[in-house]
Amino acid sequence: GAGVSQTPSNKVTEKGKYVELRCDPISGHTALYWYRQSLGQGPEFLIYFQGTGAADDSGLPNDRFFAVRPEGSVSTLKIQRTERGDSAMYLCASSPSDRGGVLTFGAGSRLTVL
Amino acid sequence: GEDVEQSLFLSVREGDSSVINCTYTDSSSTYLYWYKQEPGAGLQLLTYIFSNMDMKQDQRLTVLLNKKDKHLSLRIADTQTGDSAIYFCAEYNRGGGNKLTFGTGTQLKVEL
Repeated sequence: GAGVSQTPSNKVTEKGKYVELRCDPISGHTALYWYRQSLGQGPEFLIYFQGTGAADDSGLPNDRFFAVRPEGSVSTLKIQRTERGDSAMYLCASSPSDRGGVLTFGAGSRLTVL
Repeated sequence: GEDVEQSLFLSVREGDSSVINCTYTDSSSTYLYWYKQEPGAGLQLLTYIFSNMDMKQDQRLTVLLNKKDKHLSLRIADTQTGDSAIYFCAEYNRGGGNKLTFGTGTQLKVEL
């Protein structure tokens, strides 16, 4: 596609529920990143994919968070047993593999846990 | 560890220059970036500088890097109301896991 697409743009859920957030990167971009941005803060790294594999998942806060990219394109961030502290904007970005920090971001998925 | 700091808020008059400052701690950073975030939109890359450069100019934008003091600045000449946004600096270390580490962001408000 022309840009990075994230769905849903807005998700409201109840504490304890399971949530999936989807990212559709720019076609041909092999690198895909998930970041989390809380209100008034900068984006915090969660996980980085190179192709289908998670090259660095050191930013995932705990084992309730998991992400996949089975075919090396679309990625899904999965959050189990959501907590109120998970409320944030979840940002996805993609990049050609050799462009370092030159990322194209999506508009984000705002998650609110009640 | 990596830590990137910015002042939270800057207010300027339209037509003046804006200078947004950033300090970082990772001396092995290879590239430093400036991203812009407008309300309701994703982050947009503005410009970046390689760590062996002192200055980079791109139209109204000038990036200055003081590697000794680990200080980065973004100057916007002739600031316009459309420049109102949050500006993030970010550092990238090629040996540090291929990820950007962002600062807390500086909200720029341009007044008429």
